[in-house]
Amino acid sequence: EAGVVQSPRYKIIEKKQPVAFWCNPISGHNTLYWYLQNLGQGPELLIRYENEEAVDDSQLPKDRFSAERLKGVDSTLKIQPAELGDSAVYLCASSFGGSGNTIYFGEGSWLTVV
Amino acid sequence: QKEVEQDPGPLSVPEGAIVSLNCTYSNSAFQYFMWYRQYSRKGPELLMYTYSSGNKEDGRFTAQVDKSSKYISLFIRDSQPSDSATYLCAMSANRGSTLGRLYFGRGTQLTVWP
Repeated sequence: EAGVVQSPRYKIIEKKQPVAFWCNPISGHNTLYWYLQNLGQGPELLIRYENEEAVDDSQLPKDRFSAERLKGVDSTLKIQPAELGDSAVYLCASSFGGSGNTIYFGEGSWLTVV
Repeated sequence: QKEVEQDPGPLSVPEGAIVSLNCTYSNSAFQYFMWYRQYSRKGPELLMYTYSSGNKEDGRFTAQVDKSSKYISLFIRDSQPSDSATYLCAMSANRGSTLGRLYFGRGTQLTVWP
């Protein structure tokens, strides 16, 4: 069974440019997460979806970040415009159900803003 | 103060050693406790999952949770060079506004040398 798939794996962009990351969760998983991982730190939640609904987006910087999960499956995370401080790993994860259920992570999308 | 504290190391041990990794936390609502392993340039991979207090053993790995002290541990017996990775503790609550959100420690970098 395929795991959580993310693309692109690596992206280098200039500051002020837009960037988008795509995630395909494990088949049947209704809960999808986007986490941000800075170098030397643990992941931090940006947004959590249950089906199509964003149920926890309190830590998403909404001035420049946006996310969507159309049809309750794939999801896209966008940054516009990117800043130097956005250089990090963007991890997508999924689970069947929410609290207490095993969360599986993708390989991550590594962003460098120059 | 962060909700989850974890010594980042680095920790370097010889092959065959017993490794002890630890985290402390402050939120008494945390009920689900996990250890993830993250290899370089990869996403976190679930290693151990424990609900509430107690011990759990899986092969060379043992997870312990002491809720009275708000302290969790991961022990690795007969450590192998392939165990060299960053180990992240993570936990979540079973109630409240942050239901379903995973809180991570910053990770401990472990190297097992032959």
